[in-house]
Amino acid sequence: DTGVSQNPRHKITKRGQNVTFRCDPISEHNRLYWYRQTLGQGPEFLTYFQNEAQLEKSRLLSDRFSAERPKGSFSTLEIQRTEQGDSAMYLCASSPWNEQFFGPGTRLTVL
Amino acid sequence: GENVEQHPSTLSVQEGDSAVIKCTYSDSASNYFPWYKQELGKGPQLIIDIRSNVGEKKDQRIAVTLNKTAKHFSLHITETQPEDSAVYFCAAPYQGSGNTGKLIFGQGTTLQVKP
Repeated sequence: DTGVSQNPRHKITKRGQNVTFRCDPISEHNRLYWYRQTLGQGPEFLTYFQNEAQLEKSRLLSDRFSAERPKGSFSTLEIQRTEQGDSAMYLCASSPWNEQFFGPGTRLTVL
Repeated sequence: GENVEQHPSTLSVQEGDSAVIKCTYSDSASNYFPWYKQELGKGPQLIIDIRSNVGEKKDQRIAVTLNKTAKHFSLHITETQPEDSAVYFCAAPYQGSGNTGKLIFGQGTTLQVKP
């Protein structure tokens, strides 16, 4: 399967813990996006990488959130000191230019 | 910033009927308009897209139309089947972000196709 993969698919954590998600994009796609989706809503943009450079971050991305894309391949999204309001589906998308192809997402539940 | 409005929020049709979902956008510089289908527990799947240099695009039972003057674009599904039941999202890129291509999504339309 050469699509976008995300791990883990589900994560349950206690408030205050740190969590890290991984995204493996379609190979040779130089654009990578992270979005967050809450129940009943469309995805909301979090951050964008072109190769290894993080070129844009949303105001939704507080100081507790950090993302990396070392070597311009896979990406990680870390949330420190999780809060109940962080519970959502975290989606990764990769793109060669316009079209964005999404992974299956990581569903985070913060207890 | 960009704003994308999508209607209706829910749509129920009989199998074999057509379904139409409409979106409006605010950023006149937007030039690419994708539609996504999302099934329960899955990520959004790109089903069709259109660029601003064309007015209509078809792919089998689905089509998208674009009216740049009115800033409207619509998804048309003909001969609907139960497997078309899902949540559909329209989106448009926010060009003001330095052409990063970040997408602004509509609120979604839950389509139910009754057998």
